Amino acid sequence: AQTVTQSQPEMSVQEAETVTLSCTYDTSENNYYLFWYKQPPSRQMILVIRQEAYKQQNATENRFSVNFQKAAKSFSLKISDSQLGDTAMYFCAFLHNNAGNMLTFGGGTRLMVKP
Amino acid sequence: DVKVTQSSRYLVKRTGEKVFLECVQDMDHENMFWYRQDPGLGLRLIYFSYDVKMKEKGDIPEGYSVSREKKERFSLILESASTNQTSMYLCASSLGGHGQGSPYEQYFGPGTRLTVT
Repeated sequence: AQTVTQSQPEMSVQEAETVTLSCTYDTSENNYYLFWYKQPPSRQMILVIRQEAYKQQNATENRFSVNFQKAAKSFSLKISDSQLGDTAMYFCAFLHNNAGNMLTFGGGTRLMVKP
Repeated sequence: DVKVTQSSRYLVKRTGEKVFLECVQDMDHENMFWYRQDPGLGLRLIYFSYDVKMKEKGDIPEGYSVSREKKERFSLILESASTNQTSMYLCASSLGGHGQGSPYEQYFGPGTRLTVT
């Protein structure tokens, strides 16, 4: 069974600084997808960034980027120029490519951006 | 924009009651999902459906059932609510059919915080 581990339950960062959230996963699949989701205090979960395992290039979306290390099964999220609106729970998720698009989530990291 | 709505933001029920949580999506998505979210455990999949009247068990189906009579609506049913079912329940939907392996994004509803007393 696939597992996803986020080892940092809580983190904080000063506004405008950079923070990295860690995620590791375990799978025997070769083709799969990884996601970072954000859940602000209002609770609506939204997608931050997506990475296809067959792509070597790391995904980026504006201030958000990932460091995808396939051999190490690591998928960290870097947030640059942190903003107060980045305060949220962040979930790493693994998509089962051959199982009806099921997602397995990590336990989450609560990020607090301080002014 | 995709919109996923859930019938209630907050719900308080008594032990033994039958509870219905409703979810509706407006983007003609094939896949729909029910998760529960608990601190430190992330989101855990209860059930999912890849078509009308089709359902598959997730990781924690015990104590729950689901119904999908129409494509846009996916209901989660607690036949006899218990205190250990107090949790946040999230519904999600995505494109793609069963076994296609399409990496479509899941769109989430706002969640229902259920308290069973």
